[in-house]
Amino acid sequence: GQQVQQSPSSLVLQEGENAELQCNFSSTATQLQWFYQSPGGSLVSLLSNPSGTKHTGRLTSTTVTKERRSSLHISSSQTTDSGTYLCAPNVGDNSKLIWGLGTSLVVNP
Amino acid sequence: EAAVTQSPRNKVTVTGGNVTLSCRQTNSHNYMYWYRQDTGHGLRLIHYSYGAGNLQIGDVPDGYKATRTTQEDFFLLLELASPSQTSLYFCASSDSLNTLYFGAGTRLSVL
Repeated sequence: GQQVQQSPSSLVLQEGENAELQCNFSSTATQLQWFYQSPGGSLVSLLSNPSGTKHTGRLTSTTVTKERRSSLHISSSQTTDSGTYLCAPNVGDNSKLIWGLGTSLVVNP
Repeated sequence: EAAVTQSPRNKVTVTGGNVTLSCRQTNSHNYMYWYRQDTGHGLRLIHYSYGAGNLQIGDVPDGYKATRTTQEDFFLLLELASPSQTSLYFCASSDSLNTLYFGAGTRLSVL
């Protein structure tokens, strides 16, 4: 089945630094979403990027479908960016998402 | 803004107890999901539904039942709760682009 590996598992930055998060998955995916989980536990969708490059605010995601990898770039990090970033591709044409364990990001002031 | 409301937010029960977790979405989404989240595991899909009266089995369904009574309401039932079901449970709905909208989560402890 689909396996999802996220790296690094944790990352500590100073405010203003950039972050690069990686997601590798083992099987073909037609969907890929990035989510943010706050320290309090709430989950929100950041963006959906099955292929190519997509921007929203300070976030840029690049997905290379045939290489089964995606990245999330956070520019000019802020303390409020602290939390866990989760990558979730689907499996083939199935709408079900498979979840990675996430990258825990801490941004210090 | 899409809204998914879960209740209760916290629940403590004993082994063998009966628990119902509730989820209501006001998004008019067809798909609804129940996930559990545990340390060392990614989110795992328990059950999902694509409309009232429909139920699909997820990846970790053992020990759980679910029922979708209306377009808005999706329930997760634990009829004989066990300590292994202690977890953080999330409900979600998804739109036509498959973007997921999550509830705030229910923290369940089975003693």
